[in-house]
Amino acid sequence: GQQVMQIPQYQHVQEGEDFTTYCNSSTTLSNIQWYKQRPGGHPVFLIQLVKSGEVKKQKRLTFQFGEAKKNSSLHITATQTTDVGTYFCAGPEVGGAQKLVFGQGTRLTINP
Amino acid sequence: NAGVTQTPKFQVLKTGQSMTLQCAQDMNHEYMSWYRQDPGMGLRLIHYSVGAGITDQGEVPNGYNVSRSTTEDFPLRLLSAAPSQTSVYFCASTPPGAYEQYFGPGTRLTVT
Repeated sequence: GQQVMQIPQYQHVQEGEDFTTYCNSSTTLSNIQWYKQRPGGHPVFLIQLVKSGEVKKQKRLTFQFGEAKKNSSLHITATQTTDVGTYFCAGPEVGGAQKLVFGQGTRLTINP
Repeated sequence: NAGVTQTPKFQVLKTGQSMTLQCAQDMNHEYMSWYRQDPGMGLRLIHYSVGAGITDQGEVPNGYNVSRSTTEDFPLRLLSAAPSQTSVYFCASTPPGAYEQYFGPGTRLTVT
Protein backbone atom coordinates (compact mmCIF):
# COMPACT_ATOMS: atom_id res chain seq x y z
CA GLY A 1 0.00 0.00 0.00
CA GLN A 2 0.83 3.67 -0.11
CA GLN A 3 3.64 4.60 2.26
CA VAL A 4 5.05 7.81 3.63
CA MET A 5 8.50 7.52 5.15
CA GLN A 6 10.29 10.06 7.29
CA ILE A 7 13.94 10.35 8.23
CA PRO A 8 15.52 10.62 10.63
CA GLN A 9 13.37 8.97 13.28
CA TYR A 10 15.17 10.90 16.04
CA GLN A 11 17.34 14.01 16.05
CA HIS A 12 19.07 15.63 18.98
CA VAL A 13 20.61 19.07 18.50
CA GLN A 14 22.17 21.84 20.51
CA GLU A 15 20.00 24.91 20.85
CA GLY A 16 20.82 27.25 17.99
CA GLU A 17 21.69 24.48 15.53
CA ASP A 18 19.63 23.87 12.44
CA PHE A 19 17.38 20.85 11.97
CA THR A 20 15.94 19.15 8.89
CA THR A 21 13.49 16.28 8.50
CA TYR A 22 12.73 14.58 5.21
CA CYS A 23 9.55 12.96 3.98
CA ASN A 24 9.23 10.57 1.02
CA SER A 25 6.06 9.14 -0.45
CA SER A 26 5.73 5.96 -2.50
CA THR A 27 3.17 7.76 -4.69
CA THR A 28 2.75 11.23 -6.17
CA LEU A 29 0.81 13.43 -3.77
CA SER A 30 -1.78 16.09 -4.53
CA ASN A 31 -0.61 17.90 -1.42
CA ILE A 32 1.50 17.34 1.65
CA GLN A 33 0.93 18.53 5.18
CA TRP A 34 3.10 18.97 8.21
CA TYR A 35 2.07 18.60 11.83
CA LYS A 36 3.84 19.20 15.13
CA GLN A 37 3.17 17.27 18.31
CA ARG A 38 4.61 18.59 21.55
CA PRO A 39 5.48 15.99 24.22
CA GLY A 40 2.24 14.84 25.86
CA GLY A 41 0.17 16.82 23.37
CA HIS A 42 -1.78 16.24 20.21
CA PRO A 43 -0.73 16.78 16.59
CA VAL A 44 -1.26 20.35 15.43
CA PHE A 45 -1.52 21.28 11.76
CA LEU A 46 1.34 23.53 10.62
CA ILE A 47 1.06 23.93 6.86
CA GLN A 48 -0.06 22.45 3.57
CA LEU A 49 1.95 22.49 0.33
CA VAL A 50 0.18 21.95 -2.97
CA LYS A 51 2.36 23.03 -5.90
CA SER A 52 5.35 21.25 -7.35
CA GLY A 53 8.54 22.89 -6.04
CA GLU A 54 6.62 25.03 -3.58
CA VAL A 55 8.50 26.65 -0.71
CA LYS A 56 6.75 28.21 2.27
CA LYS A 57 8.17 29.86 5.36
CA GLN A 58 6.82 30.32 8.84
CA LYS A 59 9.33 32.38 10.80
CA ARG A 60 12.30 30.00 11.31
CA LEU A 61 10.55 27.05 9.62
CA THR A 62 10.97 26.42 5.88
CA PHE A 63 8.85 23.82 4.11
CA GLN A 64 9.57 22.48 0.63
CA PHE A 65 7.57 20.26 -1.72
CA GLY A 66 9.60 18.37 -4.30
CA GLU A 67 9.33 18.90 -8.03
CA ALA A 68 7.91 15.41 -8.51
CA LYS A 69 5.50 15.92 -5.59
CA LYS A 70 6.79 12.75 -3.90
CA ASN A 71 9.02 14.28 -1.27
CA SER A 72 9.11 17.15 1.15
CA SER A 73 11.30 18.65 3.82
CA LEU A 74 11.00 20.79 6.90
CA HIS A 75 13.99 22.87 7.93
CA ILE A 76 14.23 24.77 11.20
CA THR A 77 16.87 27.48 11.43
CA ALA A 78 18.52 28.17 14.79
CA THR A 79 16.42 25.81 16.89
CA GLN A 80 14.91 26.96 20.15
CA THR A 81 13.67 24.87 23.07
CA THR A 82 10.11 25.61 21.97
CA ASP A 83 10.77 23.56 18.81
CA VAL A 84 10.95 20.33 20.82
CA GLY A 85 8.43 17.75 19.66
CA THR A 86 7.64 15.25 16.94
CA TYR A 87 7.13 16.47 13.39
CA PHE A 88 4.88 14.47 11.08
CA CYS A 89 4.30 14.74 7.38
CA ALA A 90 1.10 13.40 5.82
CA GLY A 91 -0.32 13.02 2.35
CA PRO A 92 -3.77 12.10 1.02
CA GLU A 93 -4.34 8.43 0.31
CA VAL A 94 -4.75 7.83 -3.42
CA GLY A 95 -8.47 7.47 -4.08
CA GLY A 96 -9.13 7.87 -0.37
CA ALA A 97 -11.07 11.13 -0.31
CA GLN A 98 -9.85 12.99 2.77
CA LYS A 99 -7.94 10.09 4.31
CA LEU A 100 -4.34 10.89 5.18
CA VAL A 101 -1.31 8.64 5.30
CA PHE A 102 1.08 9.82 8.02
CA GLY A 103 4.81 9.37 8.20
CA GLN A 104 6.20 7.89 11.39
CA GLY A 105 7.47 11.25 12.52
CA THR A 106 10.81 12.75 13.50
CA ARG A 107 11.29 13.34 17.19
CA LEU A 108 13.37 16.45 17.87
CA THR A 109 15.06 16.97 21.22
CA ILE A 110 17.17 20.03 22.02
CA ASN A 111 20.00 20.55 24.47
CA PRO A 112 19.70 24.09 25.87
CA ASN B 1 -15.78 26.98 19.05
CA ALA B 2 -14.54 24.29 21.39
CA GLY B 3 -12.93 22.48 18.45
CA VAL B 4 -12.52 18.72 18.85
CA THR B 5 -13.17 17.39 22.34
CA GLN B 6 -12.45 13.93 23.69
CA THR B 7 -13.42 12.21 26.90
CA PRO B 8 -12.10 10.72 29.06
CA LYS B 9 -8.48 11.97 29.15
CA PHE B 10 -7.27 8.84 30.92
CA GLN B 11 -8.79 5.39 31.35
CA VAL B 12 -7.66 2.10 32.84
CA LEU B 13 -9.54 -1.05 31.85
CA LYS B 14 -9.22 -4.68 32.73
CA THR B 15 -8.92 -7.23 29.95
CA GLY B 16 -12.36 -8.10 28.60
CA GLN B 17 -14.08 -4.89 29.67
CA SER B 18 -15.81 -2.70 27.13
CA MET B 19 -15.95 1.07 26.92
CA THR B 20 -16.69 3.97 24.64
CA LEU B 21 -14.30 6.81 23.89
CA GLN B 22 -16.20 9.97 23.13
CA CYS B 23 -15.35 12.48 20.42
CA ALA B 24 -17.28 15.60 19.46
CA GLN B 25 -16.67 18.62 17.26
CA ASP B 26 -18.64 21.82 16.88
CA MET B 27 -17.18 22.98 13.57
CA ASN B 28 -19.72 21.22 11.32
CA HIS B 29 -16.96 19.05 9.82
CA GLU B 30 -18.21 16.10 7.81
CA TYR B 31 -15.01 14.03 7.87
CA MET B 32 -13.94 12.57 11.20
CA SER B 33 -11.41 9.91 12.06
CA TRP B 34 -9.91 7.90 14.91
CA TYR B 35 -6.21 7.15 15.26
CA ARG B 36 -4.13 5.26 17.72
CA GLN B 37 -0.57 6.27 18.49
CA ASP B 38 1.97 3.82 19.80
CA PRO B 39 5.68 4.52 20.39
CA GLY B 40 7.61 4.34 17.13
CA MET B 41 4.45 3.57 15.11
CA GLY B 42 3.23 7.03 14.26
CA LEU B 43 -0.50 7.56 13.80
CA ARG B 44 -2.52 4.60 12.59
CA LEU B 45 -6.05 5.05 11.29
CA ILE B 46 -8.68 2.92 13.03
CA HIS B 47 -11.97 4.07 11.52
CA TYR B 48 -13.22 7.11 9.70
CA SER B 49 -16.49 8.71 8.64
CA VAL B 50 -17.28 11.00 5.71
CA GLY B 51 -20.60 12.09 7.21
CA ALA B 52 -23.50 11.12 9.42
CA GLY B 53 -24.51 7.52 8.84
CA ILE B 54 -21.35 6.63 6.90
CA THR B 55 -18.33 4.92 8.42
CA ASP B 56 -15.49 2.83 7.08
CA GLN B 57 -12.46 0.91 8.30
CA GLY B 58 -8.96 2.21 8.39
CA GLU B 59 -5.66 0.42 8.78
CA VAL B 60 -6.24 -1.19 12.20
CA PRO B 61 -10.01 -1.66 12.78
CA ASN B 62 -10.05 -4.99 14.60
CA GLY B 63 -11.49 -4.81 18.11
CA TYR B 64 -13.13 -1.41 17.55
CA ASN B 65 -16.57 -0.25 16.42
CA VAL B 66 -17.80 3.19 15.46
CA SER B 67 -21.07 4.85 14.61
CA ARG B 68 -21.94 8.32 13.35
CA SER B 69 -25.53 9.24 14.10
CA THR B 70 -24.87 13.00 14.06
CA THR B 71 -22.36 15.28 12.37
CA GLU B 72 -21.00 16.33 15.76
CA ASP B 73 -20.30 13.00 17.46
CA PHE B 74 -18.09 10.07 16.52
CA PRO B 75 -17.70 7.60 19.41
CA LEU B 76 -15.22 4.72 19.35
CA ARG B 77 -16.22 1.52 21.10
CA LEU B 78 -13.84 -1.10 22.41
CA LEU B 79 -15.81 -4.32 22.48
CA SER B 80 -13.58 -6.48 24.69
CA ALA B 81 -10.42 -4.67 25.75
CA ALA B 82 -7.05 -6.38 25.30
CA PRO B 83 -3.58 -5.31 26.52
CA SER B 84 -2.63 -4.74 22.84
CA GLN B 85 -5.12 -1.86 22.81
CA THR B 86 -3.09 0.07 25.36
CA SER B 87 -2.37 3.25 23.44
CA VAL B 88 -3.14 6.93 23.03
CA TYR B 89 -6.26 7.53 20.96
CA PHE B 90 -6.82 10.67 18.94
CA CYS B 91 -9.96 11.82 17.21
CA ALA B 92 -9.68 14.31 14.35
CA SER B 93 -11.96 16.22 12.02
CA THR B 94 -11.46 17.87 8.65
CA PRO B 95 -13.21 20.90 7.12
CA PRO B 96 -15.28 20.29 3.96
CA GLY B 97 -13.15 20.24 0.82
CA ALA B 98 -9.91 20.36 2.79
CA TYR B 99 -7.33 17.85 3.96
CA GLU B 100 -5.88 19.33 7.13
CA GLN B 101 -6.98 17.54 10.27
CA TYR B 102 -7.78 19.08 13.63
CA PHE B 103 -7.01 16.74 16.47
CA GLY B 104 -8.60 16.37 19.87
CA PRO B 105 -6.45 16.27 23.02
CA GLY B 106 -6.41 12.47 23.10
CA THR B 107 -7.37 9.65 25.47
CA ARG B 108 -4.62 7.66 27.13
CA LEU B 109 -5.90 4.11 27.59
CA THR B 110 -4.24 1.37 29.61
CA VAL B 111 -5.56 -2.19 29.53
CA THR B 112 -4.29 -4.49 32.26
